[in-house]
Amino acid sequence: EPEVTQTPSHQVTQMGQEVILRCVPISNHLYFYWYRQILGQKVEFLVSFYNNEISEKSEIFDDQFSVERPDGSNFTLKIRSTKLEDSAMYFCASSERLAGTTGELFFGEGSRLTVL
Amino acid sequence: GQQVMQIPQYQHVQEGEDFTTYCNSSTTLSNIQWYKQRPGGHPVFLIQLVKSGEVKKQKRLTFQFGEAKKNSSLHITATQTTDVGTYFCAAAPNYGQNFVFGPGTRLSVLP
Repeated sequence: EPEVTQTPSHQVTQMGQEVILRCVPISNHLYFYWYRQILGQKVEFLVSFYNNEISEKSEIFDDQFSVERPDGSNFTLKIRSTKLEDSAMYFCASSERLAGTTGELFFGEGSRLTVL
Repeated sequence: GQQVMQIPQYQHVQEGEDFTTYCNSSTTLSNIQWYKQRPGGHPVFLIQLVKSGEVKKQKRLTFQFGEAKKNSSLHITATQTTDVGTYFCAAAPNYGQNFVFGPGTRLSVLP
């Protein structure tokens, strides 16, 4: 069964450092997303991406965050200068159709970011 | 902005007992999805509801969308230890907008 893959599974970084989280969405999917989940809390929407541009972003997704699809398979989330409160599990997801219509989200296993 | 609430926050049941979680929105929803997240895992899609009053069943799981499309429920009959996890509803405030996840209901099943 096709799946979304994410790397790294866990990253520890110092406050102020840049972090790049990588994702390979399911190959025939057109919509890509990043969500985050602070330990024990709810899944929060960060950003959606379609046709090589951001289609929607939340208040959390400020200027410190950026997304990119550098090639035909990878989808990355960059945090320019990490803060302690960025510590969370970051989930990449993809869908064949836009999630707010009939598209179901397929999540990767997540990248746990720990900012010290 | 849209608020999606879920109750209860936690539920502990004995294996074999039933379980229900409720999802409520402050606004009318175009559709709603349910996801399950096992401990240490990632959310996995369960079902989507679109029509007012819709009821869908998956084995022991029954999903319902309210007549006013402002609430939804997930009912599990005769829980098993494999049902352990957090159940999230996710709602799109308007057709085409991205999903907002509810805070989830964490289910524990005691053998």
